[in-house]
Amino acid sequence: EVQLLQSGGALLQPGGSLRLSCAASGFSFSNYAMSWVRQAPGKGLEWVSGISDTGGSAFYTDSVKGRFTISRDISKNTLYLQMNSLRAEDTAVYYCAKCAGNREWSHIDYWGQGTLVTVSS
Amino acid sequence: QAGLTQPPSVSKDLRQTATLTCTGNTNNVGNEGAIWLQQHLGHPPKLLSYRNNNRPSGISERFSASRSGDTASLTITGLQPEDEADYYCSAWDSSLTTWVFGGGTKLTVL
Repeated sequence: EVQLLQSGGALLQPGGSLRLSCAASGFSFSNYAMSWVRQAPGKGLEWVSGISDTGGSAFYTDSVKGRFTISRDISKNTLYLQMNSLRAEDTAVYYCAKCAGNREWSHIDYWGQGTLVTVSS
Repeated sequence: QAGLTQPPSVSKDLRQTATLTCTGNTNNVGNEGAIWLQQHLGHPPKLLSYRNNNRPSGISERFSASRSGDTASLTITGLQPEDEADYYCSAWDSSLTTWVFGGGTKLTVL
């Protein structure tokens, strides 16, 4: 059974930093691309970033480029999202997601439970 | 970044058929097709359909997807109370090199 266990949500001030983690199990982590998708309170879904199976390539939505970094540790079966220079508009539930293939353009087939990040002064 | 267009809400009677639409362009829906997701309040999304009309295991045959040009559709037959949820379409945009989402359609089953 695919499981994506997320941790790291918090309340932070604007300009702060946070690293989200997602521990994967139930599948061969090194063979699949992974993504982060967020959902602001009461709003729709927004894709944030994706990383290939090897970690050799990654893509980001424009609003987080230069501020967020996606990475993966295959030895720990864990996906990360390092978020810097946080803004109020980054407030959202962040979902870790497994892709169906090995590249970032593969569709998402499993979702984590989500973790809330709140950016407020 | 440009997203996909979905109607904000659709209401249908129990046991009727609902068709939800999702309009993009030649770089996303018209190119790679769309996926469809269902999200109940307070829960993560669930994949309903991919590559236009492939259903993951465990997804009811009442859900079917199609595409015509730049518009994707999700048809839900025999509506049940548990179908009341938010439905999102999404597609990889080869020009933006990002996944784009629709704003979501809230389906109400009367």
